[in-house]
Amino acid sequence: DSGVTQTPKHLITATGQRVTLRCSPRSGDLSVYWYQQSLDQGLQFLIQYYNGEERAKGNILERFSAQQFPDLHSELNLSSLELGDSALYFCASSPRDLRDRGGEAFFGQGTRLTVV
Amino acid sequence: GENVEQHPSTLSVQEGDSAVIKCTYSDSASNYFPWYKQELGKGPQLIIDIRSNVGEKKDQRIAVTLNKTAKHFSLHITETQPEDSAVYFCAATPRGGSQGNLIFGKGTKLSVKP
Repeated sequence: DSGVTQTPKHLITATGQRVTLRCSPRSGDLSVYWYQQSLDQGLQFLIQYYNGEERAKGNILERFSAQQFPDLHSELNLSSLELGDSALYFCASSPRDLRDRGGEAFFGQGTRLTVV
Repeated sequence: GENVEQHPSTLSVQEGDSAVIKCTYSDSASNYFPWYKQELGKGPQLIIDIRSNVGEKKDQRIAVTLNKTAKHFSLHITETQPEDSAVYFCAATPRGGSQGNLIFGKGTKLSVKP
């Protein structure tokens, strides 16, 4: 168990709908990262938050947004869902920013999103 | 920005043999290189990492080497076992910039045959 908790584990929804994925980082970790993993694809970086502030943004669609709350949990909001959004969404956390020797990043078990 | 290339994409070995996975990176300022193992239906699990001030690190049957000059790093697994079968990802952490902390290679599917 990595200590990173993601809910829900599975989500099935229809095209055009909006969903929210939740991530609770390891105790004390300030950085949260979101990744998308499509079938047979690697891990695509979406966005990073550090202590409530957006730190870096990757290939995240405008239909997607995220935030990190004062208690450090994070939510990824996906709207106007399309079939192509079906994927595994992973959250990871680290104590600080990895670039500044900020510890290691540990991943949650992911949320499998299926858009039908 | 940082780009991480990983080879091979698939690797099949006999139980007890060694396995080597190689990655190259493009940003010479990258300073942290973790390796993750992902089993089917699970999240990536950190198995070993190395920082740019170290050339080699070993943990039991797993070792990682880093060549900063050539900008490549490798994962070595000795005495492979069937439970080593999984997808392995390398990653690099570019220093500075807005790419985020971890840029991943595309993964290597390792199969260990009994």
